[in-house]
Amino acid sequence: EAGVTQSPTHLIKTRGQQATLRCSPISGHTSVYWYQQALGLGLQFLLWYDEGEERNRGNFPPRFSGRQFPNYSSELNVNALELEDSALYLCASRPGLAGSVGIQYFGAGTRLSVL
Amino acid sequence: QKEVEQNSGPLSVPEGAIASLNCTYSDRGSQSFFWYRQYSGKSPELIMSIYSNGDKEDGRFTAQLNKASQYVSLLIRDSQPSDSATYLCAVMGSGAGSYQLTFGKGTKLSVIP
Repeated sequence: EAGVTQSPTHLIKTRGQQATLRCSPISGHTSVYWYQQALGLGLQFLLWYDEGEERNRGNFPPRFSGRQFPNYSSELNVNALELEDSALYLCASRPGLAGSVGIQYFGAGTRLSVL
Repeated sequence: QKEVEQNSGPLSVPEGAIASLNCTYSDRGSQSFFWYRQYSGKSPELIMSIYSNGDKEDGRFTAQLNKASQYVSLLIRDSQPSDSATYLCAVMGSGAGSYQLTFGKGTKLSVIP
């Protein structure tokens, strides 16, 4: 069974540009979470999608947005990139509202570098 | 703001010793607690979950929970060099936050051969 897959592995952008990160959850999982892991800050919750809808978002500005597609894959968009957006972005999936919230399966992440 | 606090370490223990990792949380309504392990350059993976006060054992790992003190710990017995990693404490929130995890910054463990 394939795990959570994320693409691209690395992404280099310049300040002010837009970045798009993609995530495919484990087959059968309907919930997708996005996290930012910046140096020294730990895992910060960004967004949660389930059944195609945004269910909650963390304390991030509106230029962080995303969506979930009918096949439950997800996309994270970061507009007007700033230097401090440089971080590892992790996607995690779980079976859905019926499953335990805490049991999440993580992808390998996308390393975003903003120059 | 719901917070999860961990000592950042590094925590160094000799091979074969017991490693003790601690975590405190601010949301008194939290009911579910998790420990994730993250090897350098890798993604986090779940190693333990605990929902009730007391101890929960799984192999060399024991999770301990004290809701009154808002305290969670992870003990690793007979520590091995392969246990060297960053350990993340995660707490499931209550109320509006009951479908997401709040993570601590992690404790870096180094097991010395």
